[in-house]
Amino acid sequence: QSVLTQPPSVSGAPGQRVTISCTGSSSNIGAGYDVHWYQQLPGTAPKLLIYGNSNRPSGVPDRFSGSKSGTSASLAITGLQAEDEADYYCQSYDSSLSRVFGGGTKLTVL
Amino acid sequence: QVQLVESGGGLVKPGGSLRLSCAASGFTFSDYYMSWIRQAPGKGLEWVSYISSSGSTIYYADSVKGRFTISRDNAKNSLYLQMNSLRAEDTAVYYCARDTGLQYGMDVWGQGTTVTVSS
Repeated sequence: QSVLTQPPSVSGAPGQRVTISCTGSSSNIGAGYDVHWYQQLPGTAPKLLIYGNSNRPSGVPDRFSGSKSGTSASLAITGLQAEDEADYYCQSYDSSLSRVFGGGTKLTVL
Repeated sequence: QVQLVESGGGLVKPGGSLRLSCAASGFTFSDYYMSWIRQAPGKGLEWVSYISSSGSTIYYADSVKGRFTISRDNAKNSLYLQMNSLRAEDTAVYYCARDTGLQYGMDVWGQGTTVTVSS
């Protein structure tokens, strides 16, 4: 049981927009801690996709965007491409500064 | 280039011990916090432990507290995870990651090393 809740799966056709939610509580996201997002392509290590709720590291396409409100955060992917098929994880912190992850969401590009 | 390389994984019996290492290169290791994260087969990511740049601040997940010990040697640009009293549920790929703090996330990850706990 993960501290942060994500939908197990989402899907979309090429070119479409999908969103992945990440729901926490008043002891993590709702306490004001930032949310980060990671992309894990099949058989590879995770990669930082969004940091500080809405910032993209260098090299991440602007098709990826993040937002945060209250006790939740969201990752949006526009102009869906086949290469976006991967697992996506949100991550934040709790009051003891432990790092907490969401359970992960598998994105399928139809 | 910035790189993290884990080693030390393997097959160990329940109750046994293992020490993982993570070699850093391409950046000033002593300036950065570090974390260990694991991923059980077919499961999601689970944060395991964090250590500050000097080693003075350490956090553990409840699932490993009292059994695992994180440490670092800044002179050797290396991070370690000593794992004792291993259980079947510790079976996972273990990643080390450069942990840039609350606002910036974990921006560099190693390729992972596999730990299998089985009799």
